Amino acid sequence: KQEVTQIPAALSVPEGENLVLNCSFTDSAIYNLQWFRQDPGKGLTSLLLIQSSQREQTSGRLNASLDKSSGRSTLYIAASQPGDSATYLCAQRGGSGYSTLTFGKGTMLLVSP
Amino acid sequence: DGGITQSPKYLFRKEGQNVTLSCEQNLNHDAMYWYRQDPGQGLRLIYYSQIVNDFQKGDIAEGYSVSREKKESFPLTVTSAQKNPTAFYLCASSTTQGTGDLRLYTGELFFGEGSRLTVL
Repeated sequence: KQEVTQIPAALSVPEGENLVLNCSFTDSAIYNLQWFRQDPGKGLTSLLLIQSSQREQTSGRLNASLDKSSGRSTLYIAASQPGDSATYLCAQRGGSGYSTLTFGKGTMLLVSP
Repeated sequence: DGGITQSPKYLFRKEGQNVTLSCEQNLNHDAMYWYRQDPGQGLRLIYYSQIVNDFQKGDIAEGYSVSREKKESFPLTVTSAQKNPTAFYLCASSTTQGTGDLRLYTGELFFGEGSRLTVL
């Protein structure tokens, strides 16, 4: 069974810091990986989608990388802001694309002013 | 604006009652999903549908039922058989490619705002 692990479970940083969130997965036959943001009591907002043929994707201050050989993805947030405070989840779609997503439990990020 | 609309946002139910959660999308997506989210457990897949009039059980389908009569709509019924129904329910959709058994779930997943069900 596919598993997705996110470390750390919680992270607190001062405003302005660059930070890295980690996501590891057990299925080396990854099809794509998606990063989401979730604010308390809200749905998930898609941040970045990385296909298996890609090494990274960028959107504004966010950069996500994918290393299939090590089973890892990282989400890099540059110059963090209090508005970045949320829970960040990664989800992997494995195999050849026929499967559904497997989610990690998320990293809760708090950026203090 | 294109998106996914879930209703109601909050719902209270007495034990023994069935309730239906609505999910409507205007993204023209073929695939739709229902997830359940509990504190400390992450998202778990209840049911998903690749195409109209077809759906499959996810990891925790017991006590739930769905229908997919229209492309835009994928309602979820939480039946009285569901032992622990209090949770946050999330509906999602995505694009697909191909047809039949060769349909691939290729697209980015988009979520609604969720429905919080509390059993009294």
